[in-house]
Amino acid sequence: DAEITQSPRHKITETGRQVTLACHQTWNHNNMFWYRQDLGHGLRLIHYSYGVQDTNKGEVSDGYSVSRSNTEDLPLTLESAASSQTSVYFCASSPAGTGPFGYTFGSGTRLTVV
Amino acid sequence: AQSVTQPDIHITVSEGASLELRCNYSYGATPYLFWYVQSPGQGLQLLLKYFSGDTLVQGIKGFEAEFKRSQSSFNLRKPSVHWSDAAEYFCAVGDYGGSQGNLIFGKGTKLSVKP
Repeated sequence: DAEITQSPRHKITETGRQVTLACHQTWNHNNMFWYRQDLGHGLRLIHYSYGVQDTNKGEVSDGYSVSRSNTEDLPLTLESAASSQTSVYFCASSPAGTGPFGYTFGSGTRLTVV
Repeated sequence: AQSVTQPDIHITVSEGASLELRCNYSYGATPYLFWYVQSPGQGLQLLLKYFSGDTLVQGIKGFEAEFKRSQSSFNLRKPSVHWSDAAEYFCAVGDYGGSQGNLIFGKGTKLSVKP
């Protein structure tokens, strides 16, 4: 069955380190998204991609980067981790041309920056 | 700017009682509206969505929502709550441009169910 997987599920890192969170989907979806979830803020969009080599900034993109070299993967990199980036991160994907419809979410990565 | 407001941070209802979770949106054009549910430690699951037609939308797990354009609302309802409904609920609006778009979420409402 097709799926979207995030790894790792939990990670603890130190301030200043570079961290990469993985998102891999086998739906063959063109669209992929990264959100962060924080208490009192709901989910906020970090970066998104509508296809290979396409990336776009979302509402809270500072300190994060993404690259899209193939359809299946959209890794999220924290260039220099900060305590404010302690959060739960969700990846999502959707088929091309469906706009906000057809989202499938991963199970999330809980990141703690100490 | 597009936005979603969920006025209630936390609601507690008794099992078997009815439920209504409020959602108000701000969007310039015809909104595409969604309700998602998140069980503890889990990802998000789509309950229902609205984009046109009948303003009363039926979803999974016995949930329904009503779109009221005059009130800019899309409230979620369930006639009889089960203990397994305890979760966090998110309302979202689709920020849609051309053939692409993404979701803008509210801050969520946590539902607790009393036995």
